[in-house]
Amino acid sequence: SQTIHQWPATLVQPVGSPLSLECTVEGTSNPNLYWYRQAAGRGLQLLFYSVGIGQISSEVPQNLSASRPQDRQFILSSKKLLLSDSGFYLCAWSGAAHSNQPQHFGDGTRLSIL
Amino acid sequence: TQLLEQSPQFLSIQEGENLTVYCNSSSVFSSLQWYRQEPGEGPVLLVTVVTGGEVKKLKRLTFQFGDARKDSSLHITAAQPGDTGLYLCAGGPISSGSARQLTFGSGTQLTVLP
Repeated sequence: SQTIHQWPATLVQPVGSPLSLECTVEGTSNPNLYWYRQAAGRGLQLLFYSVGIGQISSEVPQNLSASRPQDRQFILSSKKLLLSDSGFYLCAWSGAAHSNQPQHFGDGTRLSIL
Repeated sequence: TQLLEQSPQFLSIQEGENLTVYCNSSSVFSSLQWYRQEPGEGPVLLVTVVTGGEVKKLKRLTFQFGDARKDSSLHITAAQPGDTGLYLCAGGPISSGSARQLTFGSGTQLTVLP
């Protein structure tokens, strides 16, 4: 069965520090991968998505970046965090077959910027 | 830009009551998915509806996709405290892009009081 792992679960970082959040998927190959940010109790804002190794599409201009160094690994990074980067970050994967494929989410990372 | 508006944003009811959550858009979607999310976790798929007018039942939950595939509703009968959570609708794209991107609704926070 397929699983998705996301870490760390919580992170407290000072303003201006770098960031690296990692997400890995097991049990499937060539998944579509996604990074979302979620404000408390609200919907999901798509940040990045990837259809293959090295292929990254950005949805929202920001000081974050994403990379996909391996088929089932997706990394969210920043060189200098801002206060506004605080939030709940979710990684997800879906099959690449058609648009009705569900997305499967990790348990998220709660990021607090001080 | 496709947008999905959910209403109500917050809903607090007593155990045993019925409720309906709405998901509306001016855009047409290829499918509509409903997710439930609990605090500190990622959303989990409940159902996917793909045909205009389609109705799906999952125990006490009834999902309907509008005839024009622009809206959807979730009805819960005899709500229980275990139904508490954030309910998110998500629309699948009509056009086949390079990735299967979902448009997420703004969310409905449901609290069922014992």
